Amino acid sequence: DAGVTQSPTHLIKTRGQHVTLRCSPISGHKSVSWYQQVLGQGPQFIFQYYEKEERGRGNFPDRFSARQFPNYSSELNVNALLLGDSALYLCASSLRAGFLANYGYTFGSGTRLTVV
Amino acid sequence: SQQGEEDPQALSIQEGENATMNCSYKTSINNLQWYRQNSGRGLVHLILIRSNEREKHSGRLRVTLDTSKKSSSLLITASRAADTASYFCATDRTNFGNEKLTFGTGTRLTIIP
Repeated sequence: DAGVTQSPTHLIKTRGQHVTLRCSPISGHKSVSWYQQVLGQGPQFIFQYYEKEERGRGNFPDRFSARQFPNYSSELNVNALLLGDSALYLCASSLRAGFLANYGYTFGSGTRLTVV
Repeated sequence: SQQGEEDPQALSIQEGENATMNCSYKTSINNLQWYRQNSGRGLVHLILIRSNEREKHSGRLRVTLDTSKKSSSLLITASRAADTASYFCATDRTNFGNEKLTFGTGTRLTIIP
């Protein structure tokens, strides 16, 4: 089974541009989450989708949006890029979370976004 | 905002020694998880401990959880050079399907051969 796959691996964009990041979860996982990790810090929660519905949103501006497709893959979109959006964007999928969880999340290798 | 704080921020030990990292968090949780990250790439799940558990083992890893003190510790025994990485604790406060992991600031572990 393939793990969580993210594309592209690296991306360089100019301020003001728009970017789309993609994620394919592990087969059978219906929940996909997105995290932003700025250099030297822990990941910060951006969005969570389950069965194509947004279930959670972190403290990020409306320039950030996401969606989940019928095959459970997901896209993260960021508009009007700022220098501060430069970070590693991580996608995670899970089978079950919360008190009933037996396993942690499976993360992809991330997309390194650099805004210049 | 970060839920937790790891302590220490950085740790260097000789190969073969034990490494202990601590994590504190602020609110009630469903479970607490530890992850490893090599060279700023993806996170690898190490171990999950539920809020009603106090200790858990997995290979060379031992995790403790004290919900009264809102703290956890990760012990890596007989460290190896390959254990060099950043380690993060993450709390799961999933409620009504709203899944969210809140990460700490991380401990950078360096194993000296």
